Amino acid sequence: GQNIDQPTEMTATEGAIVQINCTYQTSGFNGLFWYQQHAGEAPTFLSYNVLDGLEEKGRFSSFLSRSKGYSYLLLKELQMKDSASYLCAFGRGSGNTGKLIFGQGTTLQVKP
Amino acid sequence: KAGVTQTPRYLIKTRGQQVTLSCSPISGHRSVSWYQQTPGQGLQFLFEYFSETQRNKGNFPGRFSGRQFSNSRSEMNVSTLELGDSALYLCASSFTPGTGGPDTQYFGPGTRLTVL
Repeated sequence: GQNIDQPTEMTATEGAIVQINCTYQTSGFNGLFWYQQHAGEAPTFLSYNVLDGLEEKGRFSSFLSRSKGYSYLLLKELQMKDSASYLCAFGRGSGNTGKLIFGQGTTLQVKP
Repeated sequence: KAGVTQTPRYLIKTRGQQVTLSCSPISGHRSVSWYQQTPGQGLQFLFEYFSETQRNKGNFPGRFSGRQFSNSRSEMNVSTLELGDSALYLCASSFTPGTGGPDTQYFGPGTRLTVL
């Protein structure tokens, strides 16, 4: 079957670094996405990994290990506006298809 | 470029009714995917349309259907509404350039459906 897990909630302090982990099990893996979703809003794209390693985008970095079925999102220099839900999702199937399997999301609370 | 737009933004229906939701993708995007988001189940894939054809389907009953028009706009329909259909329905569009691997999906603001 296919499964994707991430912690339900995390709390961190403004200015700190936080790592949100995501583990998955699937056949036909086709890339790992991270999205940010503020309450009442649509998910917005943060990052995409298809090969093993680290992708850096400003304060956000995402890492993927396909052999371990593991990814993480690293947020540096946390700001209050980073309080949101963070969703990891993997692409399913061969070729470019628009089917993503999402985790339940990690609600991050940033405190002053 | 304008983002993904969805109409209506809010909808209240009663059990047994049917509803049609609309999604206009980002200009140039050819793939439209639909998702249902609920507090208990999270984001779940409904179906994907590409070039007016359903390319992928999730595990939802046949009451959920969709279609895509030649201009890539998409609609989804839910018939015989149940209380459990209350959710945020999100559509996402992607460019799908024809190369291997999934393309980044960009989400619309969603339609909040309440079934009474």
